[in-house]
Amino acid sequence: DAMVIQNPRYQVTQFGKPVTLSCSQTLNHNVMYWYQQKSSQAPKLLFHYYDKDFNNEADTPDNFQSRRPNTSFCFLDIRSPGLGDAAMYLCATSRPRGGRNTEAFFGQGTRLTVV
Amino acid sequence: DQQVKQNSPSLSVQEGRISILNCDYTNSMFDYFLWYKKYPAEGPTFLISISSIKDKNEDGRFTVFLNKSAKHLSLHIVPSQPGDSAVYFCAASYGAGNMLTFGGGTRLMVKP
Repeated sequence: DAMVIQNPRYQVTQFGKPVTLSCSQTLNHNVMYWYQQKSSQAPKLLFHYYDKDFNNEADTPDNFQSRRPNTSFCFLDIRSPGLGDAAMYLCATSRPRGGRNTEAFFGQGTRLTVV
Repeated sequence: DQQVKQNSPSLSVQEGRISILNCDYTNSMFDYFLWYKKYPAEGPTFLISISSIKDKNEDGRFTVFLNKSAKHLSLHIVPSQPGDSAVYFCAASYGAGNMLTFGGGTRLMVKP
């Protein structure tokens, strides 16, 4: 009964070779997020979708893009991965209620290795 | 500029005793605070949260305290169990988008 599912769990890609990470949710939450977490650091927000509205964090590199074709799915595209992009990528969802914030639910993450 | 800070990278506690994890924030706009637990190679799991209109929230062995004037929150785990050993992240948010800003985490080790 996994609620936020990320595929794959582990991804190895070559330097400069485009890679796509996927996330799906069964919670019907309207907000979806992508976070990047490097070793021993805080997860860092890359972007989020509020319904269909895409919001890019100011310091997210142009190398990173995202797509949300429908409520359930969200993709993270890394156009030309560099060694510095090796990290755990976390997808999360939430449904703010009545203008009040709520907890976000995270997937298990995709560990990206760049060789 | 870290808006959410966890100044203790690690904490070791004996089983059965209290674990206290601390978190400080700088952005006075934050109005919702959360604690997440994370095991290696897994995503963060939500533990407990508190709204800025409260100063305490309790859920079983977990209690979160919020001191808005000091911009400080803490997580108390009583009694601590070996299964509580994990990295604990403090997070904060404000605004309609519910975006979380995380602290750097504290690794808790509960010794049997």
